[in-house]
Amino acid sequence: AQSVTQLGSHVSVSEGALVLLRCNYSSSVPPYLFWYVQYPNQGLQLLLKYTSAATLVKGINGFEAEFKKSETSFHLTKPSAHMSDAAEYFCAVSALYGGSQGNLIFGKGTKLSVKP
Amino acid sequence: NAGVTQTPKFRVLKTGQSMTLLCAQDMNHEYMYWYRQDPGMGLRLIHYSVGEGTTAKGEVPDGYNVSRLKKQNFLLGLESAAPSQTSVYFCASSYDSGGTAYGYGYTFGSGTRLTVV
Repeated sequence: AQSVTQLGSHVSVSEGALVLLRCNYSSSVPPYLFWYVQYPNQGLQLLLKYTSAATLVKGINGFEAEFKKSETSFHLTKPSAHMSDAAEYFCAVSALYGGSQGNLIFGKGTKLSVKP
Repeated sequence: NAGVTQTPKFRVLKTGQSMTLLCAQDMNHEYMYWYRQDPGMGLRLIHYSVGEGTTAKGEVPDGYNVSRLKKQNFLLGLESAAPSQTSVYFCASSYDSGGTAYGYGYTFGSGTRLTVV
């Protein structure tokens, strides 16, 4: 079965510092990969997605992620953190086989805190 | 604004009570999903539907039932609530499975916070 692992349940950065949120997936074939963001008391919003086109994907709010097949990774980065980036971030993979084919499988989330 | 609407937003139930959570979407999406979110567990799929009149079990379906009588609505039922069902429930919809078409991904509702005492 496919799975997603997000390293670090909490990440804290200073405003203006680099944001790096890690995501590794397991899959026997290249999957579709996504990053979603959840602000407090809200639903999830799509940040960006990888669907086998360019390996460097740019999303909203200055975030980007790079698909690295050799490392089975899809880490999310932003060069300079802003206070408004404080939220929980979820990596997700689209299941390619099995009874839930096509459905998203989510990681457990990484809560990002931004210090002034 | 177009999107996914969940009702109610908050609910407190006593153990053994029943209730139905309603999800409505106005984007003509074929696929709809119910997830539960618990601290440290991420989102886990309860049930999903690939079209009107269809439902299927997800990762954690026990204790829940669903119905999709109309394309725009997806109902989640708890027949006999248990404290273990205390959670935040999210409904989502998508144009296709995995949300890969047109770059829209899944559209999520704002959630229902359910407490079972």
